[in-house]
Amino acid sequence: DTEVTQTPKHLVMGMTNKKSLKCEQHMGHRAMYWYKQKAKKPPELMFVYSYEKLSINESVPSRFSPECPNSSLLNLHLHALQPEDSALYLCASSQELAGEQFFGPGTRLTVL
Amino acid sequence: GESVGLHLPTLSVQEGDNSIINCAYSNSASDYFIWYKQESGKGPQFIIDIRSNMDKRQGQRVTVLLNKTVKHLSLQIAATQPGDSAVYFCAEGLRAGNMLTFGGGTRLMVKP
Repeated sequence: DTEVTQTPKHLVMGMTNKKSLKCEQHMGHRAMYWYKQKAKKPPELMFVYSYEKLSINESVPSRFSPECPNSSLLNLHLHALQPEDSALYLCASSQELAGEQFFGPGTRLTVL
Repeated sequence: GESVGLHLPTLSVQEGDNSIINCAYSNSASDYFIWYKQESGKGPQFIIDIRSNMDKRQGQRVTVLLNKTVKHLSLQIAATQPGDSAVYFCAEGLRAGNMLTFGGGTRLMVKP
C-alpha cells in the first residue's frame, strides 16, 4: 500500500462547529505532516510529527489541534474556525524526517 | 506571458514539444530539492528529486538541473503530453529534518 488517504474529501462547517480531519498511511512511515494550501498558492507546512511526537508547530493558531494516535494515523481537530481558514488541507508522510514526502489527496474545507 | 500575484505563472506548450519549468530557490543552505506535480483536485505527486552534490538528474522523460551558483532549479519534460498538464511546484529543504519549503508554482498547459 503506497497511499496516503484522507477523509473527508470535502467538509463544510460553521464557525462554531467542531470537526476533525483524518489521515492514514500504511507504508510504515514514521513522519507525518499537515499542510494548508490556499487556491493558486503552494502548500504551507503546519505541523510535523515524528515517531508520534509533535516535532514542529509552524506557529499555527490553537483553533487547529493535531493528534497522532498511532504511527499510521494523523488527525487535525478543528474548532471555532474563521472563513479565512477555508483551504485544501493536505496530509503527507515520509519514511523518516528526511526524503520524499508522499501526499494525500487533501480535504477541501469551507468555513461559513 | 507571465503574471504574478493572484495568478500562477503559466507555460503553454504544444503536445510533443519539450517543456522547461524554472524555479528560483531562496536558501543557499538547502541541500535537497524536489519537483512535485499537482493536478486539479489532487495532492502533490512526487516527480523527481536531486541533492545538492549533483547538478543533473534524469528520470523517465524528466530531467532536473540544479545551479547552486545562482540558486536555480529547472525541470525539463521531454515530449510533453496532455497528461502533463498540471501545476508544478519546486520544493527545497534540508535532508536532515526534511522541512520542505515550496516555491510559488507554475501551471503547465499542453495544447493538443
